[in-house]
Amino acid sequence: GAVVSQHPSRVICKSGTSVKIECRSLDFQATTMFWYRQFPKQSLMLMATSNEGSKATYEQGVEKDKFLINHASLTLSTLTVTSAHPEDSSFYICSARAMTGVHGNTIYFGEGSWLTVV
Amino acid sequence: KQEVTQIPAALSVPEGENLVLNCSFTDSAIYNLQWFRQDPGKGLTSLLLIQSSQREQTSGRLNASLDKSSGRSTLYIAASQPGDSATYLCAVTLYNQGGKLIFGQGTELSVKP
Repeated sequence: GAVVSQHPSRVICKSGTSVKIECRSLDFQATTMFWYRQFPKQSLMLMATSNEGSKATYEQGVEKDKFLINHASLTLSTLTVTSAHPEDSSFYICSARAMTGVHGNTIYFGEGSWLTVV
Repeated sequence: KQEVTQIPAALSVPEGENLVLNCSFTDSAIYNLQWFRQDPGKGLTSLLLIQSSQREQTSGRLNASLDKSSGRSTLYIAASQPGDSATYLCAVTLYNQGGKLIFGQGTELSVKP
């Protein structure tokens, strides 16, 4: 079946540095990808909608200058957490929407990325 | 604004028991509803997807129902096993939102041997 791959699965970074998380659709094209964040013992909260070739749409309360999203191709979206702080430590997970083909209109989730800021 | 609520937040049952997890949503204009399983520290596994025109879906020991008019869904797990222990999340997909999902808070299930 279709696979969405996230990398890295776990990352530890120092406070003040930036970290990039990649989300790739491996066997389908995704014009739209979504980035979610999950704090411990809480549900997934949508951060932004990533659209190929255009600017991401951010949910209310999410700082677009802090969480940079780039969707430069139909198979790759990246989330960069800039100037990371310990409160940014969370589980980040992406999903991708397959628009056409046998996977058409189906949403697939990546495995998630654990970010720890020390 | 669509809100998704899951009850109970946590549930502990002995092995072999049948159980029901509940999910409610405030706006009935949904495209579909999904149930996911999440193991600690892991991503999501899609269990069942019910389109808005459907009433239920079944997969093995799992049965999910949808009553769109009342804004409710249930996930029924038959003959529970310790391996079913996980957090179960329901999520709705909204119309014309391109695949954006609104998640409930989840039910943390523990099945005791």
